[in-house]
Amino acid sequence: GQQLNQSPQSMFIQEGEDVSMNCTSSSIFNTWLWYKQDPGEGPVLLIALYKAGELTSNGRLTAQFGITRKDSFLNISASIPSDVGIYFCAGPVNFGNEKLTFGTGTRLTIIP
Amino acid sequence: EAGVTQFPSHSVIEKGQTVTLRCDPISGHDNLYWYRRVMGKEIKFLLHFVKESKQDESGMPNNRFLAERTGGTYSTLKVQPAELEDSGVYFCASSKYRGGDTGELFFGEGSRLTVL
Repeated sequence: GQQLNQSPQSMFIQEGEDVSMNCTSSSIFNTWLWYKQDPGEGPVLLIALYKAGELTSNGRLTAQFGITRKDSFLNISASIPSDVGIYFCAGPVNFGNEKLTFGTGTRLTIIP
Repeated sequence: EAGVTQFPSHSVIEKGQTVTLRCDPISGHDNLYWYRRVMGKEIKFLLHFVKESKQDESGMPNNRFLAERTGGTYSTLKVQPAELEDSGVYFCASSKYRGGDTGELFFGEGSRLTVL
């Protein structure tokens, strides 16, 4: 089946630093989704990308849908303590539904 | 409006016992999904209901897992008998039916299952 390889697995950064993480796949996705899971909570959708090459921002977060449709990137600028959590990329197994394949997650820790 | 709620938040049982997890989706959401995350791995799809019908149960690990959604409202996921490898966090998610779009999934907080 489809697999999403997410990197890095974990990041330890200082408050104020920028963060970059990415997700790659061996197969094409028509939609890329980025979720964040806060400790003790369920995943929450941050950004949805629907078109190859699309660059979308949500506050300090920016995500891009790769031109090849096999990768996506998420950047967080000027990190703050509440950015701590696990970030997951995801994509639909089939076009136009919500049966999602998820990446293994990137755990972000902010060092005071 | 209440979000997706799951119960219990944490369950610790012994191998061979039975556990039933419950999910109450957002009111009016026809789509209900169960996903599972085993420690350190990706979140994996288990099954999908549209109202009371099972649309896709291809992710269910084996016949020890039984999901129901009577009346198209809340759903239960029963594991019987539980095995050690069933430990993980079980997430429920719901969405409005969009007829072909990949809409926004709203996840519950998850039910953490620990099998000893």
